[in-house]
Amino acid sequence: EAQVTQNPRYLITVTGKKLTVTCSQNMNHEYMSWYRQDPGLGLRQIYYSMNVEVTDKGDVPEGYKVSRKEKRNFPLILESPSPNQTSLYFCASSVRETQYFGPGTRLLVL
Amino acid sequence: QQQVKQSPQSLIVQKGGISIINCAYENTAFDYFPWYQQFPGKGPALLIAIRPDVSEKKEGRFTISFNKSAKQFSLHIMDSQPGDSATYFCAASRYNFNKFYFGSGTKLNVKP
Repeated sequence: EAQVTQNPRYLITVTGKKLTVTCSQNMNHEYMSWYRQDPGLGLRQIYYSMNVEVTDKGDVPEGYKVSRKEKRNFPLILESPSPNQTSLYFCASSVRETQYFGPGTRLLVL
Repeated sequence: QQQVKQSPQSLIVQKGGISIINCAYENTAFDYFPWYQQFPGKGPALLIAIRPDVSEKKEGRFTISFNKSAKQFSLHIMDSQPGDSATYFCAASRYNFNKFYFGSGTKLNVKP
């Protein structure tokens, strides 16, 4: 089954404790992206990757890092999480204009 | 500053009625306008999309109307059903589909 998977689905952490949210796709898509969803703000793009080793900033990249060492994986790294990064995070992969979203990771930073 | 503005924030429609959600944009370089549907606990899923070279696109009960001069586009859901109850997002992108800008979302509730 073609899909985008994210882990973990839920995460509670404390300020400053580094964490990684993994994202994997099995559709051989070159393009992958990370978004955060907040009430009243919709989805905002954090980072995107056009291919292996090629990444670029989206609209809200501050406080986040990404890497793309393999085509199928695109992890999101929060090196020092803060409470304002409490949000619902979505990974997406796409071929041309059609994006396929993962199920989401709900993060709470205390 | 939000590049795509969406209204209303929430919408209640009776079963069989028409649901209408509106979006507006400023950047004339946008040339791809998708709508996404999101159910609780799920990721958004592409519902329907339009390019600015056409004024309307219809897929089943879902229609996008596009007004290039006004820089506005809207989603119409005909014969709305309780199963359509979800959050809907409009979005916009340029030709290279690298960056997507989403509206703030509309929570639709279709009452039986």
